[in-house]
Amino acid sequence: SYVLTQPPSVSVAPGQTARITCGGNNIGSKSVHWYQQKPGQAPVLVVYDDSDRPSGIPERFSGSNSGNTATLTISRVEAGDEADYYCQVWDSSSDRNWVFGGGTKLTVL
Amino acid sequence: QLQLQESGPGLVKPSETLSLTCTVSGGSISSSSYYWGWIRQPPGKGLEWIGSIYYSGSTYYNPSLKSRVTISVDTSKNQFSLKLSSVTAADTAVYYCARHSRYFDLWGRGTLVTVSS
Repeated sequence: SYVLTQPPSVSVAPGQTARITCGGNNIGSKSVHWYQQKPGQAPVLVVYDDSDRPSGIPERFSGSNSGNTATLTISRVEAGDEADYYCQVWDSSSDRNWVFGGGTKLTVL
Repeated sequence: QLQLQESGPGLVKPSETLSLTCTVSGGSISSSSYYWGWIRQPPGKGLEWIGSIYYSGSTYYNPSLKSRVTISVDTSKNQFSLKLSSVTAADTAVYYCARHSRYFDLWGRGTLVTVSS
C-alpha cells in the first residue's frame, strides 16, 4: 500500500515560515490534502488538492506538490499554529484507500 | 449546517466487537455523492483510515483491518455504523466519523473507545 512519510517535528520562531514535507513515491501525480489537529480536537482540513484552501483558512497556509514531495507552507507563523499536521492522499490505484502520513508536530518557539 | 456525532460504548472487552454509530444532522446522508468514513487515532499516535461507505452503499476498507471491519448505513435514521470484531488493546483509540470525497472535509468530535477487561 502507498506510504506517506513526514518528519516527526518541525520548529519555527513566530513570524517565520514553516515548511512541513510529505514524501511519497511519485506523490506529484496525486492530490495531497493537509489537516491541522490541535490537542483534544478533531482534525481540520487546511489545504486540499495540493494548494487550495477551504473557506475560513488564512492565506498564510499554502501547499505545493511535485515529484516525490508535497509541502505545506505556513507563512508568518503564529503561536496558534502550534499543532500536529497530517498529509493525506487517496490511493485510487489499489481498491480506493485513503492514506494518512504519520504526522508532524509543529512547535512555535 | 451538517454535523456528525459519534456514539457508542466507551469500554469494550478484549475479543468482543466494537460498535459505533455516526448520526448525521442538518442534511441527508444519501442526498449527495459523498463517502462516509471512519478514522481512528490511538493515544499519542497518528490518524488511520478504517473504512468508508459510499452514498450508493459500496464499502471500502483498510486492507490491514478488512477482515475485522463492517460498515453499514441506515438511511432512514441518517446514520452509518462501524463494527470492529475481535478487538485487542491495540484497538484502543479515539474513533472519528467523517464525510469525505478525496479529502475529509467534515469530522465528528470523536469518541474514545478503550479495550480492557
